[in-house]
Amino acid sequence: DSGVTQTPKHLITATGQRVTLRCSPRSGDLSVYWYQQSLDQGLQFLIQYYNGEERAKGNILERFSAQQFPDLHSELNLSSLELGDSALYFCASSVGGTGSTYEQYFGPGTRLTVT
Amino acid sequence: GENVEQHPSTLSVQEGDSAVIKCTYSDSASNYFPWYKQELGKGPQLIIDIRSNVGEKKDQRIAVTLNKTAKHFSLHITETQPEDSAVYFCAASLRSGGSYIPTFGRGTSLIVHP
Repeated sequence: DSGVTQTPKHLITATGQRVTLRCSPRSGDLSVYWYQQSLDQGLQFLIQYYNGEERAKGNILERFSAQQFPDLHSELNLSSLELGDSALYFCASSVGGTGSTYEQYFGPGTRLTVT
Repeated sequence: GENVEQHPSTLSVQEGDSAVIKCTYSDSASNYFPWYKQELGKGPQLIIDIRSNVGEKKDQRIAVTLNKTAKHFSLHITETQPEDSAVYFCAASLRSGGSYIPTFGRGTSLIVHP
């Protein structure tokens, strides 16, 4: 158990809909990262937040957005869903801070199915 | 951007044998290289990592080597056990702000036969 929690575990929705995925980082971790894992694209970095602020951006679609709240939990919002958005979505956390931050610890993931 | 190639995609070994997974990366600025193990239905788990100022690191049955000149790094698992069966991912990380953002390989499915 990494200490990172994600809800829900599974989500089934229809094309065009909007969903919100939730992540709680490990106790004491300030950074949260979001990843998408699919058979087509593999494991891809989407976006990182540190202590409430966006810090790095990867291959995140404009239809997707994220935020990190004062209690450090994070939400990933996916809108105008398409069939191709079906994937596993992982959250990871790390200590963060002014020094270098290396190790990331992954949550169990949310499996999104768009029908 | 960074590009990571990982081989083989599938590796089948007998219990007790050694397993080696190899990765190459393209961006010489990458300086942190973690390896993750992902079991079915679970998230990736960090098993070992190496930083660019180190050539080799070992943790019990697992070792990682890094050749910065050739831009390749490898995972070595000795005395494999059935519970080592999983998908293994390598990653090469570039510094962005105060963090290291990984680019992952496509994964190696390791099957250890009892």
